[in-house]
Amino acid sequence: GAGVSQSPSNKVTEKGKDVELRCDPISGHTALYWYRQSLGQGLEFLIYFQGNSAPDKSGLPSDRFSAERTGGSVSTLTIQRTQQEDSAVYLCASSLVRGGLQTAFFGQGTRLTVV
Amino acid sequence: GQQVMQIPQYQHVQEGEDFTTYCNSSTTLSNIQWYKQRPGGHPVFLIQLVKSGEVKKQKRLTFQFGEAKKNSSLHITATQTTDVGTYFCAGLDKSGSARQLTFGSGTQLTVLP
Repeated sequence: GAGVSQSPSNKVTEKGKDVELRCDPISGHTALYWYRQSLGQGLEFLIYFQGNSAPDKSGLPSDRFSAERTGGSVSTLTIQRTQQEDSAVYLCASSLVRGGLQTAFFGQGTRLTVV
Repeated sequence: GQQVMQIPQYQHVQEGEDFTTYCNSSTTLSNIQWYKQRPGGHPVFLIQLVKSGEVKKQKRLTFQFGEAKKNSSLHITATQTTDVGTYFCAGLDKSGSARQLTFGSGTQLTVLP
């Protein structure tokens, strides 16, 4: 696609429910990142994919968080038993690794509100 | 693991004043990138620096990469209200760590008219 697409753009869910956030990266981009951003704060790294594998999951805040990537393309971030502190904007970025260099292209984000 | 620190966290300036944000990495970087996030938006790539001591300019913005490739700065001359936003640096670890790009915490710039 023309850019990184994330869906839904907004999600309101009740505490305790599970949610799935989707990221469609730019076609051909092998690297994919998930970040979380609370209001007025910086980017909190969650997970990094290279192809379908996730060499770095160190940012996932708890075992309620998981992510997968299939076909080297679409990625899904799942949050189980959501808590109010999970409320934030979840940003996905993809990049093409070329010659050791890469530039991240971000999606518009999914604003998650847990009530 | 690699850490990228950015200061200051917040900066308020009067329109027309200059602004600088600094980025420091705990490890040597293969390159450094800068992104801008407008309020309500998502980070957008501005520039990439690769060479030791490199300096690049984009209109009123000047980007520098340190000689040791562990620090960088972004300087804005004569700020305008359109410069408002959060500026992030992002480093690519020279060792090629699994995480690849590591973002700094960002500097939130407010420009008072």
